[in-house]
Amino acid sequence: QQQVKQSPQSLIVQKGGISIINCAYENTAFDYFPWYQQFPGKGPALLIAIRPDVSEKKEGRFTISFNKSAKQFSLHIMDSQPGDSATYFCAASISGYSTLTFGKGTMLLVSP
Amino acid sequence: DTEVTQTPKHLVMGMTNKKSLKCEQHMGHRAMYWYKQKAKKPPELMFVYSYEKLSINESVPSRFSPECPNSSLLNLHLHALQPEDSALYLCASSQEAALNTEAFFGQGTRLTVV
Repeated sequence: QQQVKQSPQSLIVQKGGISIINCAYENTAFDYFPWYQQFPGKGPALLIAIRPDVSEKKEGRFTISFNKSAKQFSLHIMDSQPGDSATYFCAASISGYSTLTFGKGTMLLVSP
Repeated sequence: DTEVTQTPKHLVMGMTNKKSLKCEQHMGHRAMYWYKQKAKKPPELMFVYSYEKLSINESVPSRFSPECPNSSLLNLHLHALQPEDSALYLCASSQEAALNTEAFFGQGTRLTVV
C-alpha cells in the first residue's frame, strides 16, 4: 500500500517535444506529491509538488496533473530541452510522517 | 542559503576502516535525514533526526551509526562495512519532519568499500 508505481522506466524525447511521466499510488492517505530531478553525480532536487486539493500545478515548462479518483499523477515537461535530460522521481508522503515513498525513477533523454 | 553540504564527495574505504560522513545545513531546518542510493534506484531512507533526536531508524545495520551533534550538523559513522554498502549516501533536511515541506538534498558522498 505504500508503493508508488512510476512509468516509463526510460524515455527519449526530441528537443521541443513533450515529456510525460506517470505515477500511480494505492494509499489514499498520501497527501503530498513531489517530483524530484536528479542529474548524474548530484543529489535529487525538488522540481514541483502538488497536494490533492488541486488538479493541476504549473511552474514554467513543468506541470503536474493530479487525478485523485484514479490515484494517479503525472509530470509534463513542455518544450523539452537537452538540459532536461536527467532521472525524474515521483514521490508521495503523508502529513505527520516523515518518510517519502519514491517511485523507481524515469531516465529522460532529450535528443538535440 | 538553501544548501545542504556533504563531505567528502568521494570516499574509498577498506572493510576494516572507520570513517565518517558529514552533512551541514544552515537553513534552520529541524529535520535531517540520511538516505542510501544505489545506481539507477531511488533513494532509500536510513535515518531521520527530528530536533536532534533520532526518530526513525529503518532497520539499518549497526555498522552505520548516525549522530546529530547540533541542529545544523549530521554525521554518519561507518565501521566494518561490506562491499555491498558501496553507494551514494545522501543527506537531506526539511523544515519539520512531520510536515510535508520541501526536502533539500546534498550532492551526496560516493562511497566505495574495497
